[in-house]
Amino acid sequence: NAGVTQTPKFRVLKTGQSMTLLCAQDMNHEYMYWYRQDPGMGLRLIHYSVGEGTTAKGEVPDGYNVSRLKKQNFLLGLESAAPSQTSVYFCASRERSRGPHEQYFGPGTRLTVT
Amino acid sequence: ILNVEQSPQSLHVQEGDSTNFTCSFPSSNFYALHWYRWETAKSPEALFVMTLNGDEKKKGRISATLNTKEGYSYLYIKGSQPEDSATYLCALPPRGNDMRFGAGTRLTVKP
Repeated sequence: NAGVTQTPKFRVLKTGQSMTLLCAQDMNHEYMYWYRQDPGMGLRLIHYSVGEGTTAKGEVPDGYNVSRLKKQNFLLGLESAAPSQTSVYFCASRERSRGPHEQYFGPGTRLTVT
Repeated sequence: ILNVEQSPQSLHVQEGDSTNFTCSFPSSNFYALHWYRWETAKSPEALFVMTLNGDEKKKGRISATLNTKEGYSYLYIKGSQPEDSATYLCALPPRGNDMRFGAGTRLTVKP
């Protein structure tokens, strides 16, 4: 099992450009999450999904869109990148079975917006 | 808004020392508390998921306790080793399915 994978690992964008980050998991998890990590601020939830075709806003959703067309994939889009979106982005997934379960994280995508 | 506070922000200890740090959270509407270990240049990995007041969990030299009535959890590391150096995150789901992380405690263990 590859677990949770993220594509790409690194990216540099110019202000105003758009891009999509791909998260894929092969654990048949229902729930998937996108976080951003900034110095001194821990992980902040951008959007999440509790199943195929569903998405919900997290703590810092502005400037981002997401889609969950397939259960195994969760896409994070930046329509018009801004320097404030320079960050490391982590995807995570977890199972849905009864009770709280730990999240499994991908390796991260480092994005720089100039 | 669910505020998850972790203290201290950073900690430096000598190899062999035992140490502990704190995660504080509002005691109302508690659902679960997660502890994650995050090594530099790696991804966070789950240590514990705790749900009941008075819960105690242990994994090797690392253990955690939970007090939901007063809104805190302690993480203990006994006999710290250099490989324990990492950032330790706690997190709670405000509405069950989402997640709010604290800023973490960065532990450095000197040989």
